[in-house]
Amino acid sequence: DTEVTQTPKHLVMGMTNKKSLKCEQHMGHRAMYWYKQKAKKPPELMFVYSYEKLSINESVPSRFSPECPNSSLLNLHLHALQPEDSALYLCASSPRSGRNQPQHFGDGTRLSIL
Amino acid sequence: KQEVTQIPAALSVPEGENLVLNCSFTDSAIYNLQWFRQDPGKGLTSLLLIQSSQREQTSGRLNASLDKSSGRSTLYIAASQPGDSATYLCAVVRGSSNTGKLIFGQGTTLQVKP
Repeated sequence: DTEVTQTPKHLVMGMTNKKSLKCEQHMGHRAMYWYKQKAKKPPELMFVYSYEKLSINESVPSRFSPECPNSSLLNLHLHALQPEDSALYLCASSPRSGRNQPQHFGDGTRLSIL
Repeated sequence: KQEVTQIPAALSVPEGENLVLNCSFTDSAIYNLQWFRQDPGKGLTSLLLIQSSQREQTSGRLNASLDKSSGRSTLYIAASQPGDSATYLCAVVRGSSNTGKLIFGQGTTLQVKP
């Protein structure tokens, strides 16, 4: 069982809907990450939070809005998505941000945009 | 720009065979290299992490080597089992990175036949 929990596991939404993805960890990690993974492609980094503050935004469109309300929780708010946004969205956490911190991944949310 | 390549893209072997997965990177100035396993529809599980100063790491039937100067890493799996069937991803962290951003290869999908 993964120590990073993502909900929901699957999400189907229309292009005009507003929905949120949720990620939770109770390992005391202070860095959390959002990745996007298209089919048969490697994960691509979207956002990094360090100590509940956004530290990296990899030029992600504004229709994706991250939020870190506390050290255990990371949300990704979705609005007006496009069909090409259909993908597996992975959350990860690490003890701290930085280059020597192993990242622990959740099982992802599979998102389909109609 | 750092690029990570994994060859072959897919590999099928009979159970019990020893096998090697390859990973190459264009910029030898890396901080570390990590091998992950991903089962279909699941997140990533870290297998081995090699620091740039190390030559290899071992965990059970897995052995990862790193030749930084030539830009190569291999993942050796001994006595393969059907349960080893998965996609294997390698990822590097650039030496200049403060954030620990992972740069992934495209992955090798392994099938071990009973």
